[in-house]
Amino acid sequence: AQSVTQLGSHVSVSEGALVLLRCNYSSSVPPYLFWYVQYPNQGLQLLLKYTSAATLVKGINGFEAEFKKSETSFHLTKPSAHMSDAAEYFCAVTNTGTASKLTFGTGTRLQVTL
Amino acid sequence: GAVVSQHPSWVICKSGTSVKIECRSLDFQATTMFWYRQFPKQSLMLMATSNEGSKATYEQGVEKDKFLINHASLTLSTLTVTSAHPEDSSFYICSRTLGETQYFGPGTRLLVL
Repeated sequence: AQSVTQLGSHVSVSEGALVLLRCNYSSSVPPYLFWYVQYPNQGLQLLLKYTSAATLVKGINGFEAEFKKSETSFHLTKPSAHMSDAAEYFCAVTNTGTASKLTFGTGTRLQVTL
Repeated sequence: GAVVSQHPSWVICKSGTSVKIECRSLDFQATTMFWYRQFPKQSLMLMATSNEGSKATYEQGVEKDKFLINHASLTLSTLTVTSAHPEDSSFYICSRTLGETQYFGPGTRLLVL
């Protein structure tokens, strides 16, 4: 069984501030982990993924995430928030070699203020 | 660019009618596609796995006679909401796989009056 917990359904940061969105996972086997972003009334866009290679993963739009097995975490960070980063962010986990059922977290809405 | 398209993006229908949503893989053939449902301000719920040339696999609690899935070709999967009711109003999103990654369509918003 696998699960994902996203702490904080809503995060607000100032423009230029550090963005930190938390994701903890539970998996009985080595996981594949993903972060997706969703803008209003749109589908999900892949930000980055961890698939057992480098533990620090860089994605699009300046985002990165670090896989920490000891903490069962895959937190998403960005050094400097931009207004365009305001969106819903989903962490997801799967644990098979080919994409199978993704288990999503409940999502974190990021608000960026001036 | 987009690798998965959905049509229509918006649909409004009367209660009791059926609605078909198309999901197309634009760049690669897809033997497996997924259909999700998303309620406002909530996460995605997997409804079913669409398998090319065979029956779809439905998640527990999803009515297969209500949500008909047809994966007739390697680039097209369709979801038909039969006898739609207001509680079926939702955002429906499909995805297709490439390796270990799922790529999502832009979604279809269904409103049943």
